[in-house]
Amino acid sequence: AQKITQTQPGMFVQEKEAVTLDCTYDTSDQSYGLFWYKQPSSGEMIFLIYQGSYDEQNATEGRYSLNFQKARKSANLVISASQLGDSAMYFCAMREGYSSASKIIFGSGTRLSIRP
Amino acid sequence: GAVVSQHPSRVICKSGTSVKIECRSLDFQATTMFWYRQFPKQSLMLMATSNEGSKATYEQGVEKDKFLINHASLTLSTLTVTSAHPEDSSFYICSVTTIGEAGVTGELFFGEGSRLTVL
Repeated sequence: AQKITQTQPGMFVQEKEAVTLDCTYDTSDQSYGLFWYKQPSSGEMIFLIYQGSYDEQNATEGRYSLNFQKARKSANLVISASQLGDSAMYFCAMREGYSSASKIIFGSGTRLSIRP
Repeated sequence: GAVVSQHPSRVICKSGTSVKIECRSLDFQATTMFWYRQFPKQSLMLMATSNEGSKATYEQGVEKDKFLINHASLTLSTLTVTSAHPEDSSFYICSVTTIGEAGVTGELFFGEGSRLTVL
C-alpha cells in the first residue's frame, strides 16, 4: 500500500502568491518523521523542512511551513510569497522509526511552476 | 549535516557492460547509505540500504545480482550495475543520514546523482 500520497501532479501559481502542496501519509508507527524536498531540473535533492511525529508545533523554515494535521495524517507544505526560483519538483517523504536503518520513502511528487 | 559526493555524474555505456557508481561521505562516517533510482518524471524509489561491513538490504523487486552494492568503509559505498541493459537507464542517487547524532532530524543528505544511459 502506498504510504505517501501526493495528489497534485502539477500546480501553477502566480509569483508572490502563497501555495500549498498536499501530502498524506499512512503509518502505524508512533514515531516517524516527515520531510519535504525540492528537486530542481538539475536533479539535486534539497532538504526543505522536517516535522517529527511528536512535535506539537508546526515546523517553519523561512518561507516554508509545514501544516501538520496528525489526526488526518497530512503534512502539507506551505510556501509563502512564491518566487520564480521555487519552480521545481517537490517531494514529501516519511521515515518510520528513528534509527540509522530507518528507510525514507517518497511520494510521487508535485511539479510546481511559478508564473511571473 | 553531511556532504555526499557521487561519481560519475553521467555515464553512457553499451548494453551488456557493467558500470560502477561511487558514493562518498566526505565529512561523516556513515554506517548506512541508501541508494535510490529515479526514472524520468517519477519519484525516488529506494533500491537498497547499504550497510558498512555487511551485506546490503535490498527492497522487494530489486535484483541483488544485478545491482551489486559494496560498503567497504565508513565513507564509501559503490553500486555496480552488472550487464546493463537499456531499461536500466535511470538517475541513481545515493544518500546518507546523520541520524543518531544528538539533535539531528535525520534527513537524508544526497549526492549529486549519476545519470546512466545504456545504449
